[in-house]
Amino acid sequence: EPEVTQTPSHQVTQMGQEVILRCVPISNHLYFYWYRQILGQKVEFLVSFYNNEISEKSEIFDDQFSVERPDGSNFTLKIRSTKLEDSAMYFCASRTGDQPQHFGDGTRLSIL
Amino acid sequence: AQSVSQHNHHVILSEAASLELGCNYSYGGTVNLFWYVQYPGQHLQLLLKYFSGDPLVKGIKGFEAEFIKSKFSFNLRKPSVQWSDTAEYFCAVNALSGGYNKLIFGAGTRLAVHP
Repeated sequence: EPEVTQTPSHQVTQMGQEVILRCVPISNHLYFYWYRQILGQKVEFLVSFYNNEISEKSEIFDDQFSVERPDGSNFTLKIRSTKLEDSAMYFCASRTGDQPQHFGDGTRLSIL
Repeated sequence: AQSVSQHNHHVILSEAASLELGCNYSYGGTVNLFWYVQYPGQHLQLLLKYFSGDPLVKGIKGFEAEFIKSKFSFNLRKPSVQWSDTAEYFCAVNALSGGYNKLIFGAGTRLAVHP
């Protein structure tokens, strides 16, 4: 069964540095999402992406965040200047049509 | 704003016990409802979903859930749990507006099944 893949599995970054989290959605999917889960808290929606543009974003997704689909396969989340509170598990998801979202394994981001 | 409440944060059961995990949501319109499971060290996996039709839905691994519209609930059940059901369970809802279908998750219920 096709899967959403995310790299790296664990990213350690100094506060203030830029970080890029990468996702390869399932190939025929059209809708893409990023969620995050701070340790001990619920999974939170960050952003959805469709037709090469952001379709919805949460209040968490401020100017420090951006998403891009640079080619036909990758979907990236960039945090420009990381803060301690950005430490979390970041999940990428994709879907097509009316089907449920498929999730990747997540990237654990640790900000030092 | 839409929200999802899972009332049990941590549940401990013995094998063969019955399971029911509560989930309530707040949204007055049409919704799709989901239960996802996250086994230790693994990604979120879809357990079952409700879109329309029969409010009693059956998922993988013997799980089922019942949508009760009047109670805004979508409780997850399993008649007899196994040790391998030890995982975290997330209820999620997406409101059918806007078309982009973001998921709103509950806080999760951590289930520990003892042999």
